[in-house]
Amino acid sequence: QQQVKQSPQSLIVQKGGIPIINCAYENTAFDYFPWYQQFPGKGPALLIAIRPDVSEKKEGRFTISFNKSAKQFSLHIMDSQPGDSATYFCAASKEGSGGGADGLTFGKGTHLIIQP
Amino acid sequence: EPEVTQTPSHQVTQMGQEVILRCVPISNHLYFYWYRQILGQKVEFLVSFYNNEISEKSEIFDDQFSVERPDGSNFTLKIRSTKLEDSAMYFCASKRRGAHNEQFFGPGTRLTVL
Repeated sequence: QQQVKQSPQSLIVQKGGIPIINCAYENTAFDYFPWYQQFPGKGPALLIAIRPDVSEKKEGRFTISFNKSAKQFSLHIMDSQPGDSATYFCAASKEGSGGGADGLTFGKGTHLIIQP
Repeated sequence: EPEVTQTPSHQVTQMGQEVILRCVPISNHLYFYWYRQILGQKVEFLVSFYNNEISEKSEIFDDQFSVERPDGSNFTLKIRSTKLEDSAMYFCASKRRGAHNEQFFGPGTRLTVL
């Protein structure tokens, strides 16, 4: 029940295309859904996050779509660039009281390549 | 921009030895975390720490692991007797109070157990 399932495992998109990465969760207590970007040899970097009270959130070229009834959320990258090539992880957690200290449950990651 | 730092960047140890991984969280953050990432796999939660005590731990975080905040700036993960399967990247993360669950990760320590 704690799992977060992420797909696809890898994705190749031409520059300017819109890669879409999907995640599904099982635990209905989850109420915080971030996406992290990781470059080789680096730690995960927080990209964008959403809470279930909204169905979409945009920050720059990155958009999260959230479907609470289906327990699914996805990341869209608009006007993708070669510099966006990285591994992307979705995650989920409970917020807990006062912000909380809950650990993040990560998906298995998507290796994204943007071809020039 | 403040960031989480971790030392060492790479630690090589013999099986059965104790290792201590060190982290300096972002200075105004109050929640601290350790995660691990086995090569090519997903990031896995180990433990969270708040107000000088463990808040939550995963089933991975067994009696071989311990965490400590020995002073006002450092946060450490100790593995008492390392096993081959402990080889992984270990990430420290921190979060400030009231900031949803926005956790900021350090660059990681690569632990290699021989």
